[in-house]
Amino acid sequence: DVKVTQSSRYLVKRTGEKVFLECVQDMDHENMFWYRQDPGLGLRLIYFSYDVKMKEKGDIPEGYSVSREKKERFSLILESASTNQTSMYLCASSPPRDPTNYGYTFGSGTRLTVV
Amino acid sequence: AQTVTQSQPEMSVQEAETVTLSCTYDTSESDYYLFWYKQPPSRQMILVIRQEAYKQQNATENRFSVNFQKAAKSFSLKISDSQLGDAAMYFCAYNGGGTGNQFYFGTGTSLTVIP
Repeated sequence: DVKVTQSSRYLVKRTGEKVFLECVQDMDHENMFWYRQDPGLGLRLIYFSYDVKMKEKGDIPEGYSVSREKKERFSLILESASTNQTSMYLCASSPPRDPTNYGYTFGSGTRLTVV
Repeated sequence: AQTVTQSQPEMSVQEAETVTLSCTYDTSESDYYLFWYKQPPSRQMILVIRQEAYKQQNATENRFSVNFQKAAKSFSLKISDSQLGDAAMYFCAYNGGGTGNQFYFGTGTSLTVIP
């Protein structure tokens, strides 16, 4: 069964901490994505990557960075966590060509609380 | 960015009855793809159904069907014979296709199934 695995289901961090959210997929997908999900706002794209070492900003990249050193792993980094980054974070992956035949495969999400 | 609108934050349905969730979108493209995703309390996003814009026939997957009105830019989801396991957050999503593969999501509709 194909999988997108997010390393933490729940995470509590302090304001100002550097936070790493890890996502690993075992489907050999080129495309990987990070979204944040907030009530009433739906899913908003933070960053995405088409290939190793490539990254593109999404709609809300401020306060975040990403790293894709290996094809299967896509990390979201909060350089200095703030309370307004308290949210649910979802990772997703998809194949590169005609990806809409498959849609996304999602991870189970990381609920991050910044105190 | 494309806009996807779900105007019903919450809906409820009696078990075994039928419910329709609404979705509208804004695009200037002629070819694109539309999706409905389900997010149960487990948080795992699951693809429910997809529709290619170039197909006039409405997609159907078992108890789930869509009413795709291209001119009106409307894409509603009908759930027949509702079951308790259908209770979840439902997201409508748009994808323009191609290697970009970015999905745009609505704000979601929370569906409650009443026994």
